[in-house]
Amino acid sequence: AQSVTQLDSHVSVSEGTPVLLRCNYSSSYSPSLFWYVQHPNKGLQLLLKYTSAATLVKGINGFEAEFKKSETSFHLTKPSAHMSDAAEYFCVVSDGSGGYQKVTFGTGTKLQVIP
Amino acid sequence: SQTIHQWPATLVQPVGSPLSLECTVEGTSNPNLYWYRQAAGRGLQLLFYSVGIGQISSEVPQNLSASRPQDRQFILSSKKLLLSDSGFYLCAWSPSWGGSRGNEQFFGPGTRLTVL
Repeated sequence: AQSVTQLDSHVSVSEGTPVLLRCNYSSSYSPSLFWYVQHPNKGLQLLLKYTSAATLVKGINGFEAEFKKSETSFHLTKPSAHMSDAAEYFCVVSDGSGGYQKVTFGTGTKLQVIP
Repeated sequence: SQTIHQWPATLVQPVGSPLSLECTVEGTSNPNLYWYRQAAGRGLQLLFYSVGIGQISSEVPQNLSASRPQDRQFILSSKKLLLSDSGFYLCAWSPSWGGSRGNEQFFGPGTRLTVL
């Protein structure tokens, strides 16, 4: 069984300050972990993914996430928020390695960026 | 490169009317296909997935059905819509072969369905 918990439903930061979106997971197998971003009324875009290689993963738009097995966490960070980062972010866990992948989505974190 | 299309982008339907949402993928073959629903303030709920033509698996019992008449076509249907069917419907695909990209899902732009 697998699950993912996004600890904050809403996060508000000032433009130019760091962003931290928290995600904890549980999985019976070695998981793959993803962060997706969704702008209003749009589909989801992959930001980054972890698939058992380097534990610090760099993604698009300056985001990165660190896989910490001991803490079962995969928090998303960015050093300096930009107005265009305002969106909803989803943490996803998958224990598939090919074929049909069973994925579980977190409930999402809405990021507000204040000018 | 691969692309995924969904239509219509928005839809307003009365209760009790039928529904047909279409999703097509280009640039790949034999993809795994998925339908998700996103209700307001909630995460994504997997409705159906398909690993091949005519092969549909349902994750939750509901008022909806899915079909895959062609390799890269995935259709979500209902005979009679309910108010609770309102939401944002997303289609996604993933490669069916292994490798480092094997378990990444790519999402379409979504369909906003409002049932009145």
